[in-house]
Amino acid sequence: QKEVEQNSGPLSVPEGAIASLNCTYSDRGSQSFFWYRQYSGKSPELIMFIYSNGDKEDGRFTAQLNKASQYVSLLIRDSQPSDSATYLCAVRTDSWGKFQFGAGTQVVVTP
Amino acid sequence: ETGVTQTPRHLVMGMTNKKSLKCEQHLGHNAMYWYKQSAKKPLELMFVYSLEERVENNSVPSRFSPECPNSSHLFLHLHTLQPEDSALYLCASSQDWVTPREQFFGPGTRLTVL
Repeated sequence: QKEVEQNSGPLSVPEGAIASLNCTYSDRGSQSFFWYRQYSGKSPELIMFIYSNGDKEDGRFTAQLNKASQYVSLLIRDSQPSDSATYLCAVRTDSWGKFQFGAGTQVVVTP
Repeated sequence: ETGVTQTPRHLVMGMTNKKSLKCEQHLGHNAMYWYKQSAKKPLELMFVYSLEERVENNSVPSRFSPECPNSSHLFLHLHTLQPEDSALYLCASSQDWVTPREQFFGPGTRLTVL
């Protein structure tokens, strides 16, 4: 079983709509959760992170955690063509802070 | 230079060559990482250094040899690689290893092994 799983996509989203991405993780002891955006040919850049104690909203992005079901989601409101990228979920799985990444979900925002 | 830089950006090498990848961070961070990114696969953590000491080695083949001479520089020495080692190699840094909040990634080195 993969430790962090994401739907590879592509997830096609009309411009202005909400993109919803999910990431499931296997380790119940996971403490922090990260969403990175990676444009084609570029390196990952952090969008936001949340700890196990709550959700977070930052501009058009919202990260939500469901500990009971062991998944974390990322919502992108008012999607723009510039949001077209691969979104990587990362989970910090133990007290030593080791990051486990998912394979990423490709998002395509269509005008 | 700002952030995390990596050189070279592209590297083509034969299986008998020896080469090195270089990473430098200008953020004053104490932890540095090497990741391997292959197509459609998750980022694979290879090595972690904290304050110039290796704290994580994820069963990486010995043909990959890391070196961290100081907290700002990280190298990955390559020798007798295999074609399946072709990938994007990413360097990252974070403020510290024990309670990292965010990793900052370099642009990566695209490695092709012939």
